[in-house]
Amino acid sequence: DAKTTQPTSMDCAEGRAANLPCNHSTISGNEYVYWYRQIHSQGPQYIIHGLKNNETNEMASLIITEDRKSSTLILPHATLRDTAVYYCIVTTSGYALNFGKGTSLLVTP
Amino acid sequence: EAQVTQNPRYLITVTGKKLTVTCSQNMNHEYMSWYRQDPGLGLRQIYYSMNVEVTDKGDVPEGYKVSRKEKRNFPLILESPSPNQTSLYFCASRGGAGMRTFGSGTRLTVV
Repeated sequence: DAKTTQPTSMDCAEGRAANLPCNHSTISGNEYVYWYRQIHSQGPQYIIHGLKNNETNEMASLIITEDRKSSTLILPHATLRDTAVYYCIVTTSGYALNFGKGTSLLVTP
Repeated sequence: EAQVTQNPRYLITVTGKKLTVTCSQNMNHEYMSWYRQDPGLGLRQIYYSMNVEVTDKGDVPEGYKVSRKEKRNFPLILESPSPNQTSLYFCASRGGAGMRTFGSGTRLTVV
């Protein structure tokens, strides 16, 4: 599976959009981009995933660049409850997930 | 409600005393897995199971056993726990499109 690079930490003001970047320059054509988050020591929570096209669900939007070498997870109106570690994972099958270190997002009042 | 249930949530035990952490899912998922999470090391996969009676090692299987006798249950067994197995453990099952559902975690302390 392709390696991913994420910033260690980010801040976001409550109510603003949180844009979390992920680089995956070695991604191959059949690899998906998955995003999970972990709030404190709870179990990780699935957010969204995509292959080529941009995706949106009730939690977030996923923007994948045309060359697929990077992506951005967007939380449109961040709340304090969105403070968590966000993991960007690239995998072919969704079976083996390498969580890496993720981005620690702090949403401030 | 679709969920993965782990028990116990917290466990303190002594070195060498066999223990089992249970995991059950109600989504009829075929694939289940166990992870441990340690500060600075992130989430690491211990074992996984593709289906009933099919299990395989993950990245850190030493000191652990699993079994998958029925689809819904995937217990993690520590036959002789040691202090280096003190960790936060998560069970997960895989649904459609690769989406994982994780349990709430088991915080294990081995003294």
